[in-house]
Amino acid sequence: LAKTTQPISMDSYEGQEVNITCSHNNIATNDYITWYQQFPSQGPRFIIQGYKTKVTNEVASLFIPADRKSSTLSLPRVSLSDTAVYYCLVVIILTGGGNKLTFGTGTQLKVEL
Amino acid sequence: DAGVTQSPTHLIKTRGQQVTLRCSPKSGHDTVSWYQQALGQGPQFIFQYYEEEERQRGNFPDRFSGHQFPNYSSELNVNALLLGDSALYLCASSRDTNEKLFFGSGTQLSVL
Repeated sequence: LAKTTQPISMDSYEGQEVNITCSHNNIATNDYITWYQQFPSQGPRFIIQGYKTKVTNEVASLFIPADRKSSTLSLPRVSLSDTAVYYCLVVIILTGGGNKLTFGTGTQLKVEL
Repeated sequence: DAGVTQSPTHLIKTRGQQVTLRCSPKSGHDTVSWYQQALGQGPQFIFQYYEEEERQRGNFPDRFSGHQFPNYSSELNVNALLLGDSALYLCASSRDTNEKLFFGSGTQLSVL
């Protein structure tokens, strides 16, 4: 299984760009990377996903180098409300259909004024 | 359009008891997955249901079982509860294998 490693915690200030890097050395050819955000007492919420190169949506960008052994989630101009746990996951497409998301312990991002 | 709804939101049980948790997927979704999240940890995959059958299963004992109904709603059953089963149980639904998951707010289970 593709295990992910990401920093346990990060601190930032409002208005700054935050980059969270995740390593996934054992990612398989058909697997892809996805990021989720979780607030206390809530279920995780999808942020972005990608297979390679760069993906951008209205809330974040995801950078994946050619070897796909790592990825970086970029949050532009964070605010206090971005304080949350961010999970990097490798989505494993399973034989016979379906997929499985393997969550690590995530990165606790704390944004201050 | 309601998202993923779970019930109950909180539950207290004692060791040895049995519990049933319920999940209604987001409208248009046919795949339901269940996760267990211990305090301070990431969610752990329990199993995934599609077309009323368990399609994939994580590393959980047989005490954990589930069911999916024709309307795509799902139940998670846990028998012979242990103290270590205390956790937030999350249900997630998706429209397809490669579609993003939508999570409910979870059921907080406390086993005393």
